[in-house]
Amino acid sequence: NAGVTQTPKFQVLKTGQSMTLQCAQDMNHNSMYWYRQDPGMGLRLIYYSASEGTTDKGEVPNGYNVSRLNKREFSLRLESAAPSQTSVYFCASSEPAVQYEQYFGPGTRLTVT
Amino acid sequence: AQKITQTQPGMFVQEKEAVTLDCTYDTSDPSYGLFWYKQPSSGEMIFLIYQGSYDQQNATEGRYSLNFQKARKSANLVISASQLGDSAMYFCAMRGLSGGSNYKLTFGKGTLLTVNP
Repeated sequence: NAGVTQTPKFQVLKTGQSMTLQCAQDMNHNSMYWYRQDPGMGLRLIYYSASEGTTDKGEVPNGYNVSRLNKREFSLRLESAAPSQTSVYFCASSEPAVQYEQYFGPGTRLTVT
Repeated sequence: AQKITQTQPGMFVQEKEAVTLDCTYDTSDPSYGLFWYKQPSSGEMIFLIYQGSYDQQNATEGRYSLNFQKARKSANLVISASQLGDSAMYFCAMRGLSGGSNYKLTFGKGTLLTVNP
């Protein structure tokens, strides 16, 4: 079991470039999440998908879009990157009907110059 | 709305001693869950312990225990017999469990624990 995997691990973008962060889980979880972690801020929810076919905004959705491609995969897209999006991005998954904790991927460290 | 407050930006403890990391919360949900996660310097988020608001007893997982005081809205993490490998950032988090609640976790800003030999 790989758990939650994320690609890439590191990325440097120039302002205005676009990119997609990929996330996949092999635990058959229904719910998936994208968080960002900034120094001194803890983790903040960007978007989540309660189940396949649904997505909802979290606390800080501006500048991002998401796609729940299938039950396993949940991608995060930055259409026009800005320096304020420099952060560490975490994907997580959970099965709310069975357990409450979320399982996190290893994170993607993104720098926008 | 939910809010988590961790008032200790950093804590130091001697190896083999116990340490308490503070967490207070605020929520309008009648039913909720409280979590602690550990983030070592390598960056991954590791789930440690969970406490439901309806649980009568405090949660324990090995050397970790959660001191849950519902009336005071506190959910402190107690680590017994600290080890050097416990040095990490620790996050308190919560989510609502009531019908209609979404599944998102609200995190505190974290406490950096350093275990000294």
